[in-house]
Amino acid sequence: DAKTTQPTSMDCAEGRAANLPCNHSTISGNEYVYWYRQIHSQGPQYIIHGLKNNETNEMASLIITEDRKSSTLILPHATLRDTAVYYCIVKTPIQGAQKLVFGQGTRLTINP
Amino acid sequence: DTGVSQDPRHKITKRGQNVTFRCDPISEHNRLYWYRQTLGQGPEFLTYFQNEAQLEKSRLLSDRFSAERPKGSFSTLEIQRTEQGDSAMYLCASSLDRGSGNTIYFGEGSWLTVV
Repeated sequence: DAKTTQPTSMDCAEGRAANLPCNHSTISGNEYVYWYRQIHSQGPQYIIHGLKNNETNEMASLIITEDRKSSTLILPHATLRDTAVYYCIVKTPIQGAQKLVFGQGTRLTINP
Repeated sequence: DTGVSQDPRHKITKRGQNVTFRCDPISEHNRLYWYRQTLGQGPEFLTYFQNEAQLEKSRLLSDRFSAERPKGSFSTLEIQRTEQGDSAMYLCASSLDRGSGNTIYFGEGSWLTVV
């Protein structure tokens, strides 16, 4: 699975959009980009995933560049409860190799 | 609650004792995963099952660790002769294998403290 690079930490003001970048320059054509977050002492929570097209759900939007070498997770109106470690993961759907490999993630702090 | 359920949520044990954690995956999910997470680190993969078959084990899974999923539903993770280095959060996750883009859902984890 391709490796990802994320900033170690970020800050964002409450109510503003939080934009979390991720580089995955070695991504393969069939690898998906997944985002999870982990609030302190809890299990990782699935946020969103995508292959080529931009995706949006009730939690966030995922913007993937045309060359697929980077992506941005957008939390449109951040709240204090969005403070967490955010993990960007690329994963292949190939049979037998579907585990998630976590990096260090980005520690996002939402400030009042 | 239809999410992944783990039990117990917290366990304190003395070094050398055996401990067992149980995981109930989301109903009808055929894949089940175990991860371990220590403070300040991201979760690390331990093993996964497709139905009752254990298909992959990490090198982190020493011979003191054993995982089972006897009927393809719930799973247990046993640690024998616990050591202080086993202190961590043990995460269970499940997914429905649909061949592409399957999403993995995690439980809340079981915290182990070895004293």
